[in-house]
Amino acid sequence: NAGVTQTPKFQVLKTGQSMTLQCAQDMNHNSMYWYRQDPGMGLRLIYYSASEGTTDKGEVPNGYNVSRLNKREFSLRLESAAPSQTSVYFCASSETAGEVEAFFGQGTRLTVV
Amino acid sequence: SQKIEQNSEALNIQEGKTATLTCNYTNYSPAYLQWYRQDPGRGPVFLLLIRENEKEKRKERLKVTFDTTLKQSLFHITASQPADSATYLCGAGNTPLVFGKGTRLSVIA
Repeated sequence: NAGVTQTPKFQVLKTGQSMTLQCAQDMNHNSMYWYRQDPGMGLRLIYYSASEGTTDKGEVPNGYNVSRLNKREFSLRLESAAPSQTSVYFCASSETAGEVEAFFGQGTRLTVV
Repeated sequence: SQKIEQNSEALNIQEGKTATLTCNYTNYSPAYLQWYRQDPGRGPVFLLLIRENEKEKRKERLKVTFDTTLKQSLFHITASQPADSATYLCGAGNTPLVFGKGTRLSVIA
């Protein structure tokens, strides 16, 4: 069982470059999430998709866009990367957007220079 | 704004003792709380969920309490082992989860 798969695992970008972080889940979950994790800041929600066809902003959405491509896939796009976006990014999914456990991917470590 | 606070950034305890981690929330009333474990370089892994109408939940050596009056959850690991060393995250919601910063637990043999 793959669970939640994120690609790439590591990425270095130059300031101003764009890139898309990919996330796919094979558990037939309805809800998907993107978090970023910085030292001393914990996990902060960027965007989430409660169900296919919907997306909503989280706590720190500025500088990011998302696409819920289908039920399995939820991508995060950085249009013009900034050093402040250097972080570890986690994708997660859950059966519903309610009181159920979330399953996390292994993370993408992004460095913007 | 909604806020989740895990009081201790780091906690060191002796093997065999009970570790107690604290999670406090302010400015809202979550319907449930969740606890996750995160090892270095890995994503968080779900441990326990407790609902607002439940006082206590147990799973093997783990116990979670939820006190809506104190706006607090306590997470206990009994008979702690070095393998329990990790960062533990508290998440509170309605939807979606808002996480605290985590507590890094070190169990010393």
